Amino acid sequence: DVKVTQSSRYLVKRTGEKVFLECVQDMDHENMFWYRQDPGLGLRLIYFSYDVKMKEKGDIPEGYSVSREKKERFSLILESASTNQTSMYLCASRIGGQGALGMNTEAFFGQGTRLTVV
Amino acid sequence: AQKITQTQPGMFVQEKEAVTLDCTYDTSDQSYGLFWYKQPSSGEMIFLIYQGSYDEQNATEGRYSLNFQKARKSANLVISASQLGDSAMYFCAMREPYNQGGKLIFGQGTELSVKP
Repeated sequence: DVKVTQSSRYLVKRTGEKVFLECVQDMDHENMFWYRQDPGLGLRLIYFSYDVKMKEKGDIPEGYSVSREKKERFSLILESASTNQTSMYLCASRIGGQGALGMNTEAFFGQGTRLTVV
Repeated sequence: AQKITQTQPGMFVQEKEAVTLDCTYDTSDQSYGLFWYKQPSSGEMIFLIYQGSYDEQNATEGRYSLNFQKARKSANLVISASQLGDSAMYFCAMREPYNQGGKLIFGQGTELSVKP
């Protein structure tokens, strides 16, 4: 079974803190994603990585950065946490690249991290 | 830019009846994939069904089927014989072509409530 593991289920941080959300997958997937989920807004893509050290901005990258030094790990960084970043954060991974052409390459999700910034 | 729209924030259905959840998408690409996910109150994201843009037949997976109308850019999910356990949030998603990175974007979601 594919497993995507997020380091924390619940997190409470103070405004201005630097926050690291970690995500690890064990299936050698090329693609990894970070989303935030808010009621009525669905899942919004923050950042996307299609390979090690490769990253691409999603729809709402402001206030966030990412790091992908190893294939299995994709980290989301809140440089200076603010209260409007209180949300559920979901990490996902998927097969990518030429090997995925024509395939039903569903994304596998972690359990989510509910971050509260106070 | 690609976009996914789910216009039904909430839906109710009687147990054992069928229900259709709407999804429209916007893309100028010819190659893309469409997905539906279920998110129960526990928060996990469960993959339900996939439709490729070149697939000529509508996808089916057990009680789930995808009504794919390419010209109308719609990919509605049909759940037959609803069960109480189907109560959840449902998300439609679209994958952009792999030669553009294969980014996956989601709609706003529809909350389905199944009544006994």
